[in-house]
Amino acid sequence: SQELEQSPQSLIVQEGKNLTINCTSSKTLYGLYWYKQKYGEGLIFLMMLQKGGEEKSHEKITAKLDEKKQQSSLHITASQPSHAGIYLCGAVTLRPTGNQFYFGTGTSLTVIP
Amino acid sequence: KAGVTQTPRYLIKTRGQQVTLSCSPISGHRSVSWYQQTPGQGLQFLFEYFSETQRNKGNFPGRFSGRQFSNSRSEMNVSTLELGDSALYLCASSLLIPGRGDEQFFGPGTRLTVL
Repeated sequence: SQELEQSPQSLIVQEGKNLTINCTSSKTLYGLYWYKQKYGEGLIFLMMLQKGGEEKSHEKITAKLDEKKQQSSLHITASQPSHAGIYLCGAVTLRPTGNQFYFGTGTSLTVIP
Repeated sequence: KAGVTQTPRYLIKTRGQQVTLSCSPISGHRSVSWYQQTPGQGLQFLFEYFSETQRNKGNFPGRFSGRQFSNSRSEMNVSTLELGDSALYLCASSLLIPGRGDEQFFGPGTRLTVL
């Protein structure tokens, strides 16, 4: 089973609409990362949240971390075709042998002009 | 500053062969992690190297191995290739250890196709 579940799996929205992607962890979160990926390419770092209740924004993208719910949300306001891609949340597991980074299942976003 | 580079970008191999992928991290970054991405399994952690030492390893068979050199460049090797090894292999570097406040910077990936 996945340690990070994202919903929805895919999203198709009209340009200009707002949307939200959720990421829920089955384990305690020690930090949550959001990345964007264009098909077949590397990941682009969007933002990192480390504290419960923390909220960060970059241009039209806002991410929040709810530590108690072990959940994070990514909100895009007034979506544009340039927002299209796969959004991935990532987190770290603290282990005695060293930290391990793991990712969510991904959300594919299509923005229709 | 140059980003993370991976070579080659595309590779086609046949079953049973072995392959070596290369990753050059951002200058000054000491941690390099490798990931496998497939449509079915998503992005899965392979291993992480820090200062030439493997610090953590994901749940992959021993056919998958790696190493890191003194200049932080890293290589990943897959022996006895199987069809299921076809994937996008991503390398990421960070200044320190991922998760401790340091973001990971990803390379463009190597697309491996096993025929």
